[in-house]
Amino acid sequence: EAGVAQSPRYKIIEKRQSVAFWCNPISGHATLYWYQQILGQGPKLLIQFQNNGVVDDSQLPKDRFSAERLKGVDSTLKIQPAKLEDSAVYLCASSLAGGPWNEQFFGPGTRLTVL
Amino acid sequence: GENVEQHPSTLSVQEGDSAVIKCTYSDSASNYFPWYKQELGKGPQLIIDIRSNVGEKKDQRIAVTLNKTAKHFSLHITETQPEDSAVYFCAATRGGSARQLTFGSGTQLTVLP
Repeated sequence: EAGVAQSPRYKIIEKRQSVAFWCNPISGHATLYWYQQILGQGPKLLIQFQNNGVVDDSQLPKDRFSAERLKGVDSTLKIQPAKLEDSAVYLCASSLAGGPWNEQFFGPGTRLTVL
Repeated sequence: GENVEQHPSTLSVQEGDSAVIKCTYSDSASNYFPWYKQELGKGPQLIIDIRSNVGEKKDQRIAVTLNKTAKHFSLHITETQPEDSAVYFCAATRGGSARQLTFGSGTQLTVLP
């Protein structure tokens, strides 16, 4: 079974530029998550999708971050404009259904460096 | 909201020794406590979890204990091996379809050969 795919793996941009990350979840997984992991910290949930609807985006900085999940499969996370403090690893995860008892499978992440 | 504290931040043990990582949580309504292992360049991977109706759970060399009264839970790894070297995260949540996991800050475990 293929795992969660993310691209790109690394991205370096200057502050105020825009960037987009892509995630392809495990086939058949209805729930998709985007996490931000700052160096030395645990992952922090940014947004959770159930199929193509948003379940929780309470910690998403909506003035600069946006995410979509078209057709309930792939998802993109965008930052516009980026700030220095956005430097982090952005992890995508998927699970069969919502709720934390359903194991979340994580992708390898995209490491973003904002200069 | 939930707050999870994790200790120690780094832990070095000799191969074959045991390792213990401890976490405390603040929300008494939390009822699900997973542990994740994150290897360099990879995403976290679930290694064991425990629900609040159970005090201890074992899976081969890994065990987790939960003390609801004190609001803390621990990961125990016995007979450590070099491949156990990684960052370990604890997490807690109340559960429910929209309840997010709150992660601890992580423990870098190094198993010395």
